[in-house]
Amino acid sequence: KAGVTQTPRYLIKTRGQQVTLSCSPISGHRSVSWYQQTPGQGLQFLFEYFSETQRNKGNFPGRFSGRQFSNSRSEMNVSTLELGDSALYLCASSLDQGQTYEQYFGPGTRLTVT
Amino acid sequence: GENVEQHPSTLSVQEGDSAVIKCTYSDSASNYFPWYKQELGKRPQLIIDIRSNVGEKKDQRIAVTLNKTAKHFSLHITETQPEDSAVYFCAAFMDSNYQLIWGAGTKLIIKP
Repeated sequence: KAGVTQTPRYLIKTRGQQVTLSCSPISGHRSVSWYQQTPGQGLQFLFEYFSETQRNKGNFPGRFSGRQFSNSRSEMNVSTLELGDSALYLCASSLDQGQTYEQYFGPGTRLTVT
Repeated sequence: GENVEQHPSTLSVQEGDSAVIKCTYSDSASNYFPWYKQELGKRPQLIIDIRSNVGEKKDQRIAVTLNKTAKHFSLHITETQPEDSAVYFCAAFMDSNYQLIWGAGTKLIIKP
């Protein structure tokens, strides 16, 4: 089975721009969660999607949004980028909803905002 | 809000010795506690998990213990090896907001 894939792997943007990141889960997985990872801050939960519905959301501003398509692929969008948005963005897929099942992480997208 | 505290932030042990990482959670209704390992430059991977109806779980050199009364759980690694060097994250599933809350991570260094 192919693992979780994320595109692009690296991205450089300037302040004020917007960005869209993509995540393709493992075949058959319907839950996709997104995380922001920065040094010293661990994994910060952004949101979880299950069957095209956002089931849960972390404490991030409205500039961060996402969606999930009928094939379970998910996208994350950040508008009006700030320097502090520079981070590794990880998505993870799992068989079921609620994150009480093993999450399989993608390689991440490294976003640099200048 | 709900949180998970993880200690220590860095742990250095001699190869062959044991390592223990501890996490404390705030929501007494939490019922699922996974541990993930992230090697340098790689993605996090589940190494062991425990549910609230179990007090201890072992998998070869790795074990997790759960104390629901005290609301803490620990990861134990015995006979540490160089490949155990990584950042370890604990997490607790909070029933109150239906969300997995993560600890800040522990960098484990295995000294030869």
